Amino acid sequence: DVKVTQSSRYLVKRTGEKVFLECVQDMDHENMFWYRQDPGLGLRLIYFSYDVKMKEKGDIPEGYSVSREKKERFSLILESASTNQTSMYLCASSYSGRTGANVLTFGAGSRLTVL
Amino acid sequence: DQQVKQNSPSLSVQEGRISILNCDYTNSMFDYFLWYKKYPAEGPTFLISISSIKDKNEDGRFTVFLNKSAKHLSLHIVPSQPGDSAVYFCAAREAGTALIFGKGTTLSVSS
Repeated sequence: DVKVTQSSRYLVKRTGEKVFLECVQDMDHENMFWYRQDPGLGLRLIYFSYDVKMKEKGDIPEGYSVSREKKERFSLILESASTNQTSMYLCASSYSGRTGANVLTFGAGSRLTVL
Repeated sequence: DQQVKQNSPSLSVQEGRISILNCDYTNSMFDYFLWYKKYPAEGPTFLISISSIKDKNEDGRFTVFLNKSAKHLSLHIVPSQPGDSAVYFCAAREAGTALIFGKGTTLSVSS
């Protein structure tokens, strides 16, 4: 069964802490994505990556950075966590074929609370 | 500016009836449209997609209709079941770019 695994389901951090959210996929997908989900705002794209060591900004990259050193792993980094980064973070991956819908497969999510 | 809009935050339907979830978009370059379903504390799961060259795609109880001239798509669930109660996200993609999601519609199916 194909999988996207997010290492932490629930995290509680303090304002100013550095936070790492890890995501691993076992489908050999080229593309990986980080979204955040907030009530009334839907899913908003933070960063994505089409290949190892490549990254692209999404719609809301401010306050975040990412790292993709290996194809299967995509990390989201909050350099200095703030309370407005309290959210559900969702990692996803997809293949990058030229045809088809390139369906995203999502992980179960990481619920981050910043106090 | 929202490119994918789900104007109804919630929908309530009785078991056995049809659920119709709507989605509007503004970008005529979108080539694929997808629907995802999300339960609380879980990641979204893919339901059904449609290419921009088609006007209908069906998978069991789920049918997606696309009206390109109106820039509108809808997801029909027939018959609705209590287990269908979830948040439904409409998403769209322009070739070579990331999916853009709507804000979601919460469907409640009562027995």
